[in-house]
Amino acid sequence: DQQVKQNSPSLSVQEGRISILNCDYTNSMFDYFLWYKKYPAEGPTFLISISSIKDKNEDGRFTVFLNKSAKHLSLHIVPSQPGDSAVYFCAATAAANAGKSTFGDGTTLTVKP
Amino acid sequence: DAGITQSPRHKVTETGTPVTLRCHQTENHRYMYWYRQDPGHGLRLIHYSYGVKDTDKGEVSDGYSVSRSKTEDFLLTLESATSSQTSVYFCAISASPGQGTEAFFGQGTRLTVV
Repeated sequence: DQQVKQNSPSLSVQEGRISILNCDYTNSMFDYFLWYKKYPAEGPTFLISISSIKDKNEDGRFTVFLNKSAKHLSLHIVPSQPGDSAVYFCAATAAANAGKSTFGDGTTLTVKP
Repeated sequence: DAGITQSPRHKVTETGTPVTLRCHQTENHRYMYWYRQDPGHGLRLIHYSYGVKDTDKGEVSDGYSVSRSKTEDFLLTLESATSSQTSVYFCAISASPGQGTEAFFGQGTRLTVV
């Protein structure tokens, strides 16, 4: 049973437009949600996170929204830039589970110039 | 950049041979993790450590063992490599994951078992 799901394997947007990446989860015990970005042949890098007690967190062009009742979170990138083209992973962490993170399968974002 | 290095970066080995991957950190973070990444599967946790000599299994631990004798080093061993263990392996470190702190990842090790 996959506890964190990213149902869109890929997303393509035009430069300057908004990119919206989605993530669904099933475990209500998750305390934190994190987004990571990964370029080819590199390790993932942290992008932004949100606590389960918040519904929004913003950092520059990146905003994460959390809807606990729907068990859904989304990452908004505005405006999208070609350098944002990468694989984006959603991850969820439960403090009661020794901080182990569960990752989604990732969404490949392509931003076209 | 967080001080985390993996070695080797690439390795080709034969089925049935033992293989050890090393993760070294200079950040003094308590938590260390080994993940594997396969197409269509995202990142799956193999083993993790929450302190020296304190380790536990992740979701795909069969065929793997780990050791952590020092804070800075976390070793992943494939006792007898199989073709299904061909993958990209990532080590990660984190200070306080239970409080939402992020993980820092190494560059990855591409392992091919032939």
